[in-house]
Amino acid sequence: NAGVMQNPRHLVRRRGQEARLRCSPMKGHSHVYWYRQLPEEGLKFMVYLQKENIIDESGMPKERFSAEFPKEGPSILRIQQVVRGDSAAYFCASSPKRDREETQYFGPGTRLLVL
Amino acid sequence: RKEVEQDPGPFNVPEGATVAFNCTYSNSASQSFFWYRQDCRKEPKLLMSVYSSGNEDGRFTAQLNRASQYISLLIRDSKLSDSATYLCVVTNMFSGGYNKLIFGAGTRLAVHP
Repeated sequence: NAGVMQNPRHLVRRRGQEARLRCSPMKGHSHVYWYRQLPEEGLKFMVYLQKENIIDESGMPKERFSAEFPKEGPSILRIQQVVRGDSAAYFCASSPKRDREETQYFGPGTRLLVL
Repeated sequence: RKEVEQDPGPFNVPEGATVAFNCTYSNSASQSFFWYRQDCRKEPKLLMSVYSSGNEDGRFTAQLNRASQYISLLIRDSKLSDSATYLCVVTNMFSGGYNKLIFGAGTRLAVHP
């Protein structure tokens, strides 16, 4: 059973470009969480999605960031007009159901570097 | 004030030493508590859950004090492979019944020969 997959693992963008980060949850998991880890900091919750629904986006910056989890295909975190401060590791995690006791399984992360 | 606070370290200890990490959390309504381990440039991995009664997994012992809002992790007989960053994590319950993991910034441990 493959784990959570994220791609690309490393992404370099120039200021003003768009970044698209993909997350394929574990087989059978329909819940996805995105977290961001800035250098020397802990992971910070960004957004929680189920298939075709955004449940909680309270951790997303108000502008330039969006997320989706379509019926088919991976979850996408999209950052428009990237700035240097967006440089970070972006992790997604998946779980099989909405349950506060359910473990979240993390992917290997995408490291975004904005030049 | 950060919701989860940890001493960043680093803790530099010799092999075989016992080392303890502490963590405090600010939200008294926090529901679940965990220690995660994160190796350099890797994803966090669940080390163990933490219960009020305390729990042990091999060389690792975790304790929770709800009254003081304090969590601890004790590692006995440290191995070189224990070198990593240890993340204290709490969850807050939301009306939708889902988990939002709240991470501390982590405590770095370096075990040397």
